[in-house]
Amino acid sequence: KAGVTQTPRYLIKTRGQQVTLSCSPISGHRSVSWYQQTPGQGLQFLFEYFSETQRNKGNFPGRFSGRQFSNSRSEMNVSTLELGDSALYLCASNRDQPSGELFFGEGSRLTVL
Amino acid sequence: EDQVTQSPEALRLQEGESSSLNCSYTVSGLRGLFWYRQDPGKGPEFLFTLYSAGEEKEKERLKATLTKKESFLHITAPKPEDSATYLCAVQGSYNTDKLIFGTGTRLQVFP
Repeated sequence: KAGVTQTPRYLIKTRGQQVTLSCSPISGHRSVSWYQQTPGQGLQFLFEYFSETQRNKGNFPGRFSGRQFSNSRSEMNVSTLELGDSALYLCASNRDQPSGELFFGEGSRLTVL
Repeated sequence: EDQVTQSPEALRLQEGESSSLNCSYTVSGLRGLFWYRQDPGKGPEFLFTLYSAGEEKEKERLKATLTKKESFLHITAPKPEDSATYLCAVQGSYNTDKLIFGTGTRLQVFP
């Protein structure tokens, strides 16, 4: 059974640009969550989607947005990139009921220059 | 505000030298406490869920325990392959997979 797939794995952008990251959950999983991981702050919750609806949102500025498609695949977008957005962005999927037992992908490492 | 603090930040052990990692938390209403393991370049991997004080879970050389204010991850006779960052997280609300994570304990086990 394939795990959570995130693309791209690595990317470099410059300040002011925008970026779109993609996540394909485990087959049959309908819940997708996004987290930002930095050395200083650890993992911080961005948002969570279930059946194409945002179920919860973290304390990030409006430059961070996401969506989920009917096949449960999800994308997140960051506009007007800042240096502080450099991080590992992790996607996690879950079955239907929220349980906290998440299956994480390997992440997309974003570097903003 | 929900908060999770892990200690120590880093731990170096000799193979076979048992130890414990600490996770203290403040949350308005604990729905679950989770332990994850993260290897370099990988996403976190789920280990345990604990729901109430007094509960214990075991898996190979790992044992997780929970009190009303903290959780411990006990590592018995560790091996080099146990080297990883161990993350603790709490779930403070129902109907969400939002987790509040600590910054982790980086464990290194030397042969």
